[in-house]
Amino acid sequence: DQQVKQNSPSLSVQEGRISILNCDYTNSMFDYFLWYKKYPAEGPTFLISISSIKDKNEDGRFTVFLNKSAKHLSLHIVPSQPGDSAVYFCAASGYSSYKLIFGSGTRLLVRP
Amino acid sequence: DTGVSQDPRHKITKRGQNVTFRCDPISEHNRLYWYRQTLGQGPEFLTYFQNEAQLEKSRLLSDRFSAERPKGSFSTLEIQRTEQGDSAMYLCASSAQQGARSGELFFGEGSRLTVL
Repeated sequence: DQQVKQNSPSLSVQEGRISILNCDYTNSMFDYFLWYKKYPAEGPTFLISISSIKDKNEDGRFTVFLNKSAKHLSLHIVPSQPGDSAVYFCAASGYSSYKLIFGSGTRLLVRP
Repeated sequence: DTGVSQDPRHKITKRGQNVTFRCDPISEHNRLYWYRQTLGQGPEFLTYFQNEAQLEKSRLLSDRFSAERPKGSFSTLEIQRTEQGDSAMYLCASSAQQGARSGELFFGEGSRLTVL
């Protein structure tokens, strides 16, 4: 039972354009969401997070949007840069839960 | 480098052998996690320690798997009688969150296991 789903295994965008990565979740107890980025041969690194009391969180070129009614979140990267090419994982947790549940990832390729 | 370190980075073993992975978390972090990642999938939770106490284990962690964190610092993950299905990347992460959630996890580079 996949509680966190990333239905797009890959995404290719032109440098300078917007990248939009999507994530859906099924567990209504989730109230904290994170995005991680992973380069080959490295561990995942934290990118940005959002609490369920918000619907948007912004950090530089990265913005995460949360739609609780649709159980959907998205990560916007604008403008996209070639160095953003990586696998992006969505993750979720619930209050008093110590573990993160990860999606299967989306591989982003930013073309120069 | 004061990040999470894992050793070895890559282990190749024959089916039936035992393997052990070590994780050194960020020194001030009291929470330590083990995850497993297979090709095309995201990290899957295996187990969690708060200091030296193992507070949660996933159903994925069969009896052949054991994890310890004896002094609340480094941790080991041992797999006995390895099977080909154990081939995966084993990721360790730590966090310092004091509240009732995990917060941001800091991952190591992982230990890749190949079982022949």
